Amino acid sequence: AQKITQTQPGMFVQEKEAVTLDCTYDTSDPSYGLFWYKQPSSGEMIFLIYQGSYDQQNATEGRYSLNFQKARKSANLVISASQLGDSAMYFCAMREGQAGTALIFGKGTTLSVSS
Amino acid sequence: EAGVAQSPRYKIIEKRQSVAFWCNPISGHATLYWYQQILGQGPKLLIQFQNNGVVDDSQLPKDRFSAERLKGVDSTLKIQPAKLEDSAVYLCASSLDRGISSYNSPLHFGNGTRLTVT
Repeated sequence: AQKITQTQPGMFVQEKEAVTLDCTYDTSDPSYGLFWYKQPSSGEMIFLIYQGSYDQQNATEGRYSLNFQKARKSANLVISASQLGDSAMYFCAMREGQAGTALIFGKGTTLSVSS
Repeated sequence: EAGVAQSPRYKIIEKRQSVAFWCNPISGHATLYWYQQILGQGPKLLIQFQNNGVVDDSQLPKDRFSAERLKGVDSTLKIQPAKLEDSAVYLCASSLDRGISSYNSPLHFGNGTRLTVT
């Protein structure tokens, strides 16, 4: 079974609009971390935001926020006021357990921002 | 702080040849990872090191891939012999992983090595 599911292969949004990228996860471990990464066409993997399984508040980092719904096992990324530079591939990923397994990635969502 | 360094940036080889990639993690990061990313897919873990030791190499094709981490710092990943399906980007990453809750430590990635096997 897939541990990280991203069901949107591609998303399109206009500049200055908000966009939500979906992510659901599957784990039986009570301790886990959820991460979002951005991968522009240049190829580097850029860490955006983190949410821990015990965190009570949704994480925010500038224009990025994470809509964490633990009971539904979802961790959607919200990008507010989209910019042309936000066009990239976005990956949701998870680390499990106190010892910290490696990141398990979803298949990614390609975001295209138009003017 | 300096990021994760990888070299080379690009490599083109013929099938059945060998190739090696090098990675220098962020200073002080205990854990080092090698991922394979095939075009259009998410990265897949090949091997995870904690200091000198291997934590997880369950997805490493050990008949052709090998990796080592020298003195708990730099690492090399080797493919011998290469196959066409090894064409991918090879990403090295590191994480701090100190304390009892390593799951909250993000991975920091290098720029990757794009391998083309012809």
